[in-house]
Amino acid sequence: SAVISQKPSRDICQRGTSLTIQCQVDSQVTMMFWYRQQPGQSLTLIATANQGSEATYESGFVIDKFPISRPNLTFSTLTVSNMSPEDSSIYLCSVNRVGETQYFGPGTRLLVL
Amino acid sequence: GQQLNQSPQSMFIQEGEDVSMNCTSSSIFNTWLWYKQEPGEGPVLLIALYKAGELTSNGRLTAQFGITRKDSFLNISASIPSDVGIYFCAGDTGTASKLTFGTGTRLQVTL
Repeated sequence: SAVISQKPSRDICQRGTSLTIQCQVDSQVTMMFWYRQQPGQSLTLIATANQGSEATYESGFVIDKFPISRPNLTFSTLTVSNMSPEDSSIYLCSVNRVGETQYFGPGTRLLVL
Repeated sequence: GQQLNQSPQSMFIQEGEDVSMNCTSSSIFNTWLWYKQEPGEGPVLLIALYKAGELTSNGRLTAQFGITRKDSFLNISASIPSDVGIYFCAGDTGTASKLTFGTGTRLQVTL
């Protein structure tokens, strides 16, 4: 399995600001994904981060709110823009390689005041 | 988006007891996965199932991929305190590796 790190591990932000979350993998991976886990809830896929092209967003999530970058095969960022208290969640990065299952990073815990 | 129905929602058991939880869907999946999430951590993969009818074990954990490809169950035998956490099932249709997660089963183990 891949070793995945996320920065920051947690943050407290003011409404109206933006936060960029980083996901770093110790080896090249095929797919990278971003999930949201609202308090006490399950995981919901936000988007697939595509290397060198625009991310593919799931229904209910838009690029203006959650811009994503993936400049290479080991790194991706998710920005939560113009935050409101409803954005308080755990944001999780996951990865997989061809033929392998999906592994998750430790998550970023975001609280918006 | 779609979520898988997972039951029970929570369980309070005594150490040494066996645990069973299941996951059902209205859609067919090509892969079923079971994850465990502990407080402050990301989900950790426990078992992956790739074929209908497949029964796979990982230590005290046993999981099965339902014949209809619309359900899966996870059993934990002889539970111990470190089994505490939230267990999630996840299904993969095989299209772009996107996972759909279950609603989760919260397990508490008392001594």
